[in-house]
Amino acid sequence: EDQVTQSPEALRLQEGESSSLNCSYTVSGLRGLFWYRQDPGKGPEFLFTLYSAGEEKEKERLKATLTKKESFLHITAPKPEDSATYLCAVLENTGTASKLTFGTGTRLQVTL
Amino acid sequence: NAGVMQNPRHLVRRRGQEARLRCSPMKGHSHVYWYRQLPEEGLKFMVYLQKENIIDESGMPKERFSAEFPKEGPSILRIQQVVRGDSAAYFCASSPGASTVGETQYFGPGTRLLVL
Repeated sequence: EDQVTQSPEALRLQEGESSSLNCSYTVSGLRGLFWYRQDPGKGPEFLFTLYSAGEEKEKERLKATLTKKESFLHITAPKPEDSATYLCAVLENTGTASKLTFGTGTRLQVTL
Repeated sequence: NAGVMQNPRHLVRRRGQEARLRCSPMKGHSHVYWYRQLPEEGLKFMVYLQKENIIDESGMPKERFSAEFPKEGPSILRIQQVVRGDSAAYFCASSPGASTVGETQYFGPGTRLLVL
């Protein structure tokens, strides 16, 4: 069964203090790895999709990278509006199945 | 381009009643997925549907839960005879269904079900 583990569970940063969130996974065949952002009381908001080891994607202060066993979400010079829960999910290569397996998320708080 | 729409956003039911949750996918999307998020837990897959077909319901409880995606109209997740343990946020996601590579799923705002 797919396993997706995110660390740390919670992270508190000061504005401008860069850091990285980790997502480690074990799947028999990776069809895709997805990062989402979730604000309290809202649905997950899509950030990035990564398909193969070595791939990188960037958007504003966020950069996602992928290896064969884990993915990192790097946050450069964060701002208070980056405070949210960041979710990692994997899609396993199993025929017609298209279910995402989610980690439990990293709760990020960015303070002034 | 409107995103995934879900209604109602909040639903309160007493034990034993039925709950009906609706989801309209993004325009042009033909695949719908339902996930459940229990308090302090991660999102868990429930069911994957295409128009008039259930493709994967491996995450759906065997009793009381059913889902459909008719040819016309929204997808419906139905929970019969609700119990307090059904209280959770239920999210719908959709994808285009046009690619064999892992498609991105876009999520709606969720329906928060509270069972009294």
